[in-house]
Amino acid sequence: QTVVTQEPSFSVSPGGTVTLTCGLSSGSVSTNYYPTWYQQSPGQAPRTLIYSTNTRSSGVPDRFSGSILGNKAALTITGAQADDESDYYCVLYVGNGISVFGGGTKLTVL
Amino acid sequence: QVQLVGSGGGVVQPGRSVRLSCAASGFTFNNYGMHWVRQAPGKGLEWVAVIWYDGSNAYYADSVKGRFTISRDNSKNTLHLQMNTLRAEDTAVYYCVRALRYFDWVLEYWGQGILVTVSS
Repeated sequence: QTVVTQEPSFSVSPGGTVTLTCGLSSGSVSTNYYPTWYQQSPGQAPRTLIYSTNTRSSGVPDRFSGSILGNKAALTITGAQADDESDYYCVLYVGNGISVFGGGTKLTVL
Repeated sequence: QVQLVGSGGGVVQPGRSVRLSCAASGFTFNNYGMHWVRQAPGKGLEWVAVIWYDGSNAYYADSVKGRFTISRDNSKNTLHLQMNTLRAEDTAVYYCVRALRYFDWVLEYWGQGILVTVSS
């Protein structure tokens, strides 16, 4: 069974830079997994930030970027703002039609 | 403007069935794969199922395989999720999600969600 790992929580100072990661319990994440990132505020539907590793979704500011760092997918937020405080989820396509979400990272901006 | 409007949720007894629907508009529905994703109260996102743009293939998470069926009616721009033999752990907000064009497995655009509560 594939397990996708994310940091449970992270904090960043306003104006700072933070990198969240998305890994596999076994193996390395590559572009073949089409890593995709979402932001979810309380009571709201998720919003797509980055898809297929590093493509920003429409309307997403360029403060958000995606990449592969080592053996994980990464979401980097530069110039963090107060309204970036949200839950962030990644999802990986593991093949045969199946996708798996990570457990999510709760980002605090303080 | 893309719109995904869900319906069919509510309170359902354990062991019973419910059918969720998602009405799509603002895009050419039969060009896109569609997914269902759920989120239990206070928990993270869980991928549930996908159906390819033409309905030719459907895939499920192990947690729902054999109990849930995803389907689509491209003539009515509507996605469905038939949920049978419901359990308490199926209680969640269910999101209808449109995939990326040509990449049916990439989840892109999210609807607002449908609450399903399984309780006696």
